[in-house]
Amino acid sequence: DARVTQTPRHKVTEMGQEVTMRCQPILGHNTVFWYRQTMMQGLELLAYFRNRAPLDDSGMPKDRFSAEMPDATLATLKIQPSEPRDSAVYFCASGSGQVQETQYFGPGTRLLVL
Amino acid sequence: DAKTTQPPSMDCAEGRAANLPCNHSTISGNEYVYWYRQIHSQGPQYIIHGLKNNETNEMASLIITEDRKSSTLILPHATLRDTAVYYCIVRVDGNYGGSQGNLIFGKGTKLSVKP
Repeated sequence: DARVTQTPRHKVTEMGQEVTMRCQPILGHNTVFWYRQTMMQGLELLAYFRNRAPLDDSGMPKDRFSAEMPDATLATLKIQPSEPRDSAVYFCASGSGQVQETQYFGPGTRLLVL
Repeated sequence: DAKTTQPPSMDCAEGRAANLPCNHSTISGNEYVYWYRQIHSQGPQYIIHGLKNNETNEMASLIITEDRKSSTLILPHATLRDTAVYYCIVRVDGNYGGSQGNLIFGKGTKLSVKP
């Protein structure tokens, strides 16, 4: 049963600390998405990659957020320095890159910045 | 902004059909209608999608009106495990590199299936 995995599942940190979230897409999927979900804003797309290259990161605060794909099996989302307003659930999703693509979401990382 | 309008909440009795409406009056000819759902504390889950014909899979049926301005997701025999927020999304396929291919999630419909 192929699934998107995310680590850590929960993270509590203090303001100013660096946070790194990891995602392992489904094997063979070449598109990776990062979303953020809060009560106020709902689900927002932060960035996505195709074949490890960033295609769109316009939804991501550039000054403190960065997203990378070091290889085809790992995507990372980093926040440095973290702020309380970054508290949210961060979801990674992967897709096959085909027309009429279905996105498969991971379980999310729940981040709390104190 | 989401291009769809959904009721904020609905109730359904267990075992009955759940019919979730969605308005997308400004949909373009090359935009598909997608449905995802999010069970509490989980990531969104794909349900079904369609362009203009009605579609059915093991999870649900999708009925799209002839003018494509609205659609209905049907869960034929709702169970307690179907309690979730259901998102209706319109999206252009195969157009990555532009925003039209993105999934834009609105507030969805919170479906409560009751015993």
